[in-house]
Parts: sequence; structure tokens; C-alpha cells
Amino acid sequence: GQNIDQPTEMTATEGAIVQINCTYQTSGFNGLFWYQQHAGEAPTFLSYNVLDGLEEKGRFSSFLSRSKGYSYLLLKELQMKDSASYLCAVRDEDGTDKLIFGTGTRLQVFP
Amino acid sequence: AAGVIQSPRHLIKEKRETATLKCYPIPRHDTVYWYQQGPGQDPQFLISFYEKMQSDKGSIPDRFSAQQFSDYHSELNMSSLELGDSALYFCASSLGGTGGRDFGQGTRLTVV
Repeated sequence: GQNIDQPTEMTATEGAIVQINCTYQTSGFNGLFWYQQHAGEAPTFLSYNVLDGLEEKGRFSSFLSRSKGYSYLLLKELQMKDSASYLCAVRDEDGTDKLIFGTGTRLQVFP
Repeated sequence: AAGVIQSPRHLIKEKRETATLKCYPIPRHDTVYWYQQGPGQDPQFLISFYEKMQSDKGSIPDRFSAQQFSDYHSELNMSSLELGDSALYFCASSLGGTGGRDFGQGTRLTVV
């Protein structure tokens, strides 16, 4: 079966660093996406990892370990506007490349 | 840059009515994905099209159908609507089936 797990909720303080973990067990793997989603809005692409290692993009970094079925999203210098849900999604490898989403992590940033 | 366009943004229908949602992919994108996101839920894959042919089918009810047209836009047709169909419906597009990293703003369907 397909299983992608993330913590349900996290809280952090403005200016701090937070790490959101994602573990996955899927029948196929062809890359892992992280999205940010504000309530009622579309998911916004943050990062994509297909090889092991760290991808850095400004205040956001994403790490992947394929052997461990594990990824994390690291957010630095948190801002109030970072309060949102963060979705981990695995791209399947069945020829159609659909995305399988995790349950999402709701992050609240406090002043 | 042009993004994925969905219409309408909001739709209110009564039970047993029909609804049609439209998706206009990013220009030159040939693949369209439809996702359904219920309140507090993660997006669930419904169906996808590549080059106007259905490429994969997920948890899409038999009451729903979809197609991709010659201009690559796609329509999701929903019949015999039920209260449980109330959700955000997102469309994503990609070039060559790369998983759809670009999402439209979604259509919020409310069935009353």
C-alpha cells in the first residue's frame, strides 16, 4: 500500500528554525515534492528531491534519504507568513507519475 | 508567467445536480491531473490525462467523468452530486507527466 506520514501539527517562534519530517512507504518512487498550502488555497511548490541529499532554496531546504524512505523540510528564519500546512508528496513510478500526498503538517508560527 | 487556470472558483449545487469544472493547463503542458481535497484532508488523486488520453485513474467515483480536449484543457463532469462531494478540486499540469508541480487555484464545490 501507499503510506506517507507527517506530524499533524507543529508550532514555532518567529525567527526560529523548524524541521518537518516525512516518512514514506510507496510501491514506487520517482521523486518527492514539498508544497506549502494556506487554508483554502492551492498547494504552492516548494522543493523537489529525486536524489539523496540536501536541496537548498533560500530559507527553505529539503533533504531526502531514499534508503530510509525519509525526507524533511527545513524552514529557517521563520516568519508569520510561514504559518500554513506543509504537504509531502511522493511521485509514483507507474508510468503516470501521479502524486501521492501525505496528511500534511499544520505549522503555526508565533511572534 | 501563465499558471494553471480553473473555473469556476466557487460553485454551489444541490444534491443530485450535475457540475462541470474546467481546467486550463500552463501553455505547452500536455498532462493534466485532477485532485480532490476534502475539509482537513490531503489532496486525493482522481484522474489524469496525457495527450488527450486518460493516463491514470485514482479514487474517482463512477458518477464522475473527465476528458482532455484538443487544446489540452480538461473538464471534470460530476453527476448525481452528493453532500460528500463538497470539497476543493484542484487541477495540476505538467509537461510529459512530471507529476504536476503547478496547481491551479482550485474550485470550491459546495453541495447543499
